[in-house]
Amino acid sequence: AQSVTQPDIHITVSEGASLELRCNYSYGATPYLFWYVQSPGQGLQLLLKYFSGDTLVQGIKGFEAEFKRSQSSFNLRKPSVHWSDAAEYFCAVGAGNTDKLIFGTGTRLQVFP
Amino acid sequence: DTGVSQDPRHKITKRGQNVTFRCDPISEHNRLYWYRQTLGQGPEFLTYFQNEAQLEKSRLLSDRFSAERPKGSFSTLEIQRTEQGDSAMYLCASSKRAGSGNTIYFGEGSWLTVV
Repeated sequence: AQSVTQPDIHITVSEGASLELRCNYSYGATPYLFWYVQSPGQGLQLLLKYFSGDTLVQGIKGFEAEFKRSQSSFNLRKPSVHWSDAAEYFCAVGAGNTDKLIFGTGTRLQVFP
Repeated sequence: DTGVSQDPRHKITKRGQNVTFRCDPISEHNRLYWYRQTLGQGPEFLTYFQNEAQLEKSRLLSDRFSAERPKGSFSTLEIQRTEQGDSAMYLCASSKRAGSGNTIYFGEGSWLTVV
């Protein structure tokens, strides 16, 4: 069965520091991979997605993610975090198609000034 | 281009009452999805539609849950005889086309509190 693991429940960084949020997936073939961000009490906003091709994908708000098949990972990165990036981040996988996304449990990002 | 719209945003109901949530997808999106998110968890897939056809409903949590999309535009999610365990955020999403290469856009969610 497909699954997504986000090992870090909560991460705290200082504003201006770099960020990496981890995501590991379980799926036999090449998955469709997504990162979404959720502010408190809000819905989910798509940051970026990977379907095929270049394994380094660029998203909105200065985020990028790299698909590593050998590690079954799709980690999210940002070189310099802003206070407004504080939110919950979800990694999701679509197995075979993208109709039924499977989400990880999320990583809560806290940013200190 | 307006986003996915959900109504109401918040609902408090007494246990045993029925509740209905409405979702208006992005215009021209023919796929519509319902997810549920409980505190501290990621969204969980419930059901989805291609136009007015409900393609999967096996993930609906019990027979108290039902969803419709009668004219292939807006959709409703009804929960009958609510229980405290139904307290969650119900997310609607839509996409333009089916299958692979499909980007799903989510609404702001409808919060349900059952007291």
